[in-house]
Amino acid sequence: NAGVTQTPKFQVLKTGQSMTLQCAQDMNHEYMSWYRQDPGMGLRLIHYSVGAGITDQGEVPNGYNVSRSTTEDFPLRLLSAAPSQTSVYFCASSYATGGNTEAFFGQGTRLTVV
Amino acid sequence: GESVGLHLPTLSVQEGDNSIINCAYSNSASDYFIWYKQESGKGPQFIIDIRSNMDKRQGQRVTVLLNKTVKHLSLQIAATQPGDSAVYFCAENIWDDKIIFGKGTRLHILP
Repeated sequence: NAGVTQTPKFQVLKTGQSMTLQCAQDMNHEYMSWYRQDPGMGLRLIHYSVGAGITDQGEVPNGYNVSRSTTEDFPLRLLSAAPSQTSVYFCASSYATGGNTEAFFGQGTRLTVV
Repeated sequence: GESVGLHLPTLSVQEGDNSIINCAYSNSASDYFIWYKQESGKGPQFIIDIRSNMDKRQGQRVTVLLNKTVKHLSLQIAATQPGDSAVYFCAENIWDDKIIFGKGTRLHILP
């Protein structure tokens, strides 16, 4: 049981480049979300999904796109990377919100935009 | 802005003593609260949760207290051990399914 798997673990991008951060979970969780973590800022919610085909914006969605075509996968796309997007990104999944919502986090992707 | 915050960014506790980490929230509609532990280089890990219809919940060496009157919750860790060194986050589930995190408190264990 792999839990939540994020790839890549590290990435360096040039300003203006695009890329996709991958997130997959094998627990059949409905709820998935993306957070970014900056020093002194805690975790901030970027986008989330309550099920396949449904996504919604979190606290800091600008510059990011998501899609949820399957229950297992929830990729995060950076359309045109900016230095302000340098951060550690975490993907999380949970069975549901409102119920047993223990969230399981991936190990994170450390992204540097130069 | 964030609706969940912490009173102290860093807490130093003697090994064996009890630790108390505090958290304030501002959204009175929040009905579910969670504490997470994050060790260096790892993702957050669930510790304990509590629903708004409860005042207290206990786990193994951990207790969460919720005071809805003053919108405050706390995490108590009994007999703090070196392995408890980490950053602790409180998070709240608000009405539209978002789970919002506070900034975190770093717990240092003194030998």
